Amino acid sequence: ELKVEQNPLFLSMQEGKNYTIYCNYSTTSDRLYWYRQDPGKSLESLFVLLSNGAVKQEGRLMASLDTKARLSTLHITAAVHDLSATYFCAVDRDDKIIFGKGTRLHILP
Amino acid sequence: NAGVTQTPKFQVLKTGQSMTLQCAQDMNHEYMSWYRQDPGMGLRLIHYSVGAGITDQGEVPNGYNVSRSTTEDFPLRLLSAAPSQTSVYFCASSYSALNTEAFFGQGTRLTVV
Repeated sequence: ELKVEQNPLFLSMQEGKNYTIYCNYSTTSDRLYWYRQDPGKSLESLFVLLSNGAVKQEGRLMASLDTKARLSTLHITAAVHDLSATYFCAVDRDDKIIFGKGTRLHILP
Repeated sequence: NAGVTQTPKFQVLKTGQSMTLQCAQDMNHEYMSWYRQDPGMGLRLIHYSVGAGITDQGEVPNGYNVSRSTTEDFPLRLLSAAPSQTSVYFCASSYSALNTEAFFGQGTRLTVV
């Protein structure tokens, strides 16, 4: 059974700082996704990572995938308040897309 | 550009009542899925479909039924609502089982009293 674990589950950080969110998963998979959810809203896709060593960047966010370690990271560079949201990773295995519990990111001005 | 449309947006049910949450997509996506979101639990997969006529169970299927008679529609039926089914429900669609980047509807907030 596929399990997806994110940590930390809650992160409060100052603007301008860097930080990393981790996503570990329990069985082999070649597809991993990152989503963002604003309070009371739906989820929107941020990154699609399809192979070992894949790295994607969008603005201050960068995601990477290490399939051998079963680990993905979402790195935030020089955080700004607009990045405050909940971030989810999701892993695809046997046609099921399983989500982590999410990381609630709160960026203090 | 409608994308994924869920109805209703809000619903209050009494225990034991049944209802259907509607989900429709206009992107000709083969893959569709239903999730529930509860505080501290992330999103949990209820049922999914890799194409019309094919459905399968996810992580938490008990108390829910689905059908997929057309590519566009994927309704979720609550057979006999229970307070434990109070949640926010999200429908999502993806291009196919080989490309499962999900596009989500706006959600249905369901309260069972």
